[in-house]
Parts: sequence; structure tokens; C-alpha cells
Amino acid sequence: AAGVIQSPRHLIKEKRETATLKCYPIPRHDTVYWYQQGPGQDPQFLISFYEKMQSDKGSIPDRFSAQQFSDYHSELNMSSLELGDSALYFCASSLGQGGGTGELFFGEGSRLTVL
Amino acid sequence: AQSVTQLGSHVSVSEGALVLLRCNYSSSVPPYLFWYVQYPNQGLQLLLKYTTGATLVKGINGFEAEFKKSETSFHLTKPSAHMSDAAEYFCAVSASSYDKVIFGPGTSLSVIP
Repeated sequence: AAGVIQSPRHLIKEKRETATLKCYPIPRHDTVYWYQQGPGQDPQFLISFYEKMQSDKGSIPDRFSAQQFSDYHSELNMSSLELGDSALYFCASSLGQGGGTGELFFGEGSRLTVL
Repeated sequence: AQSVTQLGSHVSVSEGALVLLRCNYSSSVPPYLFWYVQYPNQGLQLLLKYTTGATLVKGINGFEAEFKKSETSFHLTKPSAHMSDAAEYFCAVSASSYDKVIFGPGTSLSVIP
């Protein structure tokens, strides 16, 4: 079965650079979530989208932005990167309002290293 | 608001012994509860979930968890630990079928031969 696809899997950037992570949800899933997991930490919710509209917002820095496109894929844009942004970024998808069971399906993650 | 606490950041068990990972939640509404497992340098895999109905939930790899509303708990158990069970385990809570999932701090399980 198709899973959540994230790209790139690994990314190395310098401080103050910009990075873009992409997420392709499971077909027919309409809700996408972004999480950030620092070393030895639990995943922290950043932001979510339902039907291309932002549905919830967590601890996402102002330097970060995200959107969901008409084909339901999502992109997380990170600017002015800081060392502390080094983390594993997970995308998850689910069937949204009216159709879901609450289960989030996670991608393998994109590991960002900021030097 | 929802939150999760997990008692014990590290748990060690002998191979073949009972695994018990503790999870307590706080929720202002009837919760959706989950256990996820994460192997080193990998993503998050759902072990089991509780939404409604039967309070004893069976998951993959022989794990099960029981929802106890009176104790606001959702402890994860497995009768006999296997070496391959060594991983990080996250308990998580959600307010609805489409709300974000809030993770607990995680418990690292080690299995001793």
C-alpha cells in the first residue's frame, strides 16, 4: 500500500540558508500534519492542513511557513536556518473531518542538519 | 487541551519478561489514544489505538493496551519481550478523529538477553 512520501530524506544546510521539505500524503488523504523531532525529543506538532487550508498551528517558528497544494501534497519552507533547527521533520497524513479514525500515518521523515 | 505523561524515560527488561510501559493522559474531551513505536533513525509506526468501544486494545507484534478512564491511563503491555522490541515508544492523545496528535515524552525500551 502507498505510504506517506517525504523528500528529501536528508538535507544539509548552512546557517541563514533556506530549506524546503516536501510531503506527499497517502492517496485520498486530505489532511497533512508536520512535526519536528529534535535529538532525543518527542515529536512536536508544527502545523496542519485540511483541504488546502491551515487547520491548526502549533509551535512553528515565524521563520517557517507551509502550505498544502491542490494535489494535497504539502511543503514546509524554512528560512534563516539556525543550528537549533537541526531535527527530524515528519509529515503525517490522515482522512480528515468526517472520515477519519484519528490515526495518523507517518512518513519516514526528513533529517535536516544545519551547520 | 490534551497532554500525555509517560512514567520512566528508560525501561529495561529481560528477554521473555513482561513489558509494561506506563502512560497517563489528560483530556478535556473523550480521548483518542495511541501507542507509536520508533526504531533508531526510522519513522513512527502505529502499534495500536483506542477510539471507542472495547477498552482492551490489541495491536501489532503482540502488544496490547487497556484504556482505564477512572485512572486516565493507557498502559502498554506485552507478555514476553523479544530483542526486536528494543525501541522508543510514544504514547499519544488526540481530541478527535481529525485533530492533531500530541505525543508524550517517550520511553526507551531495552531488552537484555
